[in-house]
Amino acid sequence: AQKVTQAQTEISVVEKEDVTLDCVYETRDTTYYLFWYKQPPSGELVFLIRRNSFDEQNEISGRYSWNFQKSTSSFNFTITASQVVDSAVYFCALSGTVDTDKLIFGTGTRLQVFP
Amino acid sequence: KAGVTQTPRYLIKTRGQQVTLSCSPISGHRSVSWYQQTPGQGLQFLFEYFSETQRNKGNFPGRFSGRQFSNSRSEMNVSTLELGDSALYLCASMASGRLHEQFFGPGTRLTVL
Repeated sequence: AQKVTQAQTEISVVEKEDVTLDCVYETRDTTYYLFWYKQPPSGELVFLIRRNSFDEQNEISGRYSWNFQKSTSSFNFTITASQVVDSAVYFCALSGTVDTDKLIFGTGTRLQVFP
Repeated sequence: KAGVTQTPRYLIKTRGQQVTLSCSPISGHRSVSWYQQTPGQGLQFLFEYFSETQRNKGNFPGRFSGRQFSNSRSEMNVSTLELGDSALYLCASMASGRLHEQFFGPGTRLTVL
């Protein structure tokens, strides 16, 4: 069975602090995809990143960076120098090779960034 | 390029009624998926349509159904509404050949009284 665990329910930080959101996944597929989405108060899920299981290179996009480690089945997301606008719920998700269009979501981590 | 649109954005119904939600995907996208988001169960996959055919289905009762039209627009229907159906219903569209890259709409918030 596929599963995504986001153990951190809520994180509060002060602006300019760095924050890391954890994501641990379970799958028996050898090929799979991992995602991060941001959900601001408006409700729309905003796509942040997609990673396939064969690409373990870390990725950096501006203040965002992602650390993918197959050995620990983790795909963690770090926001550097957080800003108030980063306040949202962040979801990690997984899709496999069979049901490729079905995303399995974690329970989300609510990030609050205070000025 | 316009994003995924969903109508209506908010809906209030009473138990026993039925409801139809609409989703227009990004132009050129042929796949539409539906998800239900509730505080208790989180985000759960309902079903996915591609070229007017249901390609995948989640673990929801038969009261939840959907369809897709030739222009890729999709509707989902919930019959005999229950209080537990109150949720944010999100639609996502995906281009052919761009597996796993789903773009979500703003959602329809359904409240069942």
